[in-house]
Amino acid sequence: DAGVIQSPRHEVTEMGQEVTLRCKPISGHNSLFWYRQTMMRGLELLIYFNNNVPIDDSGMPEDRFSAKMPNASFSTLKIQPSEPRDSAVYFCASRPGLHSHEQYFGPGTRLTVT
Amino acid sequence: DQQVKQNSPSLSVQEGRISILNCDYTNSMFDYFLWYKKYPAEGPTFLISISSIKDKNEDGRFTVFLNKSAKHLSLHIVPSQPGDSAVYFCAAQTSSNTGKLIFGQGTTLQVKP
Repeated sequence: DAGVIQSPRHEVTEMGQEVTLRCKPISGHNSLFWYRQTMMRGLELLIYFNNNVPIDDSGMPEDRFSAKMPNASFSTLKIQPSEPRDSAVYFCASRPGLHSHEQYFGPGTRLTVT
Repeated sequence: DQQVKQNSPSLSVQEGRISILNCDYTNSMFDYFLWYKKYPAEGPTFLISISSIKDKNEDGRFTVFLNKSAKHLSLHIVPSQPGDSAVYFCAAQTSSNTGKLIFGQGTTLQVKP
């Protein structure tokens, strides 16, 4: 049974470049979450979707960040332009629905912006 | 403003003994709490949870205790095993925004054989 799939697992890019992170949630899960983990701020929620609709994007740091969920099986997190301070591990998680509590995390994408 | 705090960055215990990981929170609106375990290079995995209407929840070797008046919860692992060595995160949410999990900074547990 496949879990949450994220790609790429590692991304190294130069400042100013566009970065796109991808996520495939667990089949049948209706909610999808994007998190960022840094040493300074720990694990913080960036945005989450329910039934492909963004519900709470208050954690998105600035306009350089955008997230989409065009269908139930795919989501992207885009950073444009990227900056060194965006270097972090980005996790995607999914959940069966709003009335469930447990979120299932993917393995993460380690982003390094030089 | 850190609403969920894990004040001990690390904990070391001997195999077979009890591990106690602590978590404090400041927001009285939190009504559901979860513990996640994380190994290096992997995403967090759900371990155990507790609703605010309970004060204890047990699942095998893992027990979570909730003290609402103190805004404190703890995770007990008995007996501890070397495979339990990982980073443990406490998380909390409110019923008004069930999608938003607020995580603590994590505690690194090392279980020595």
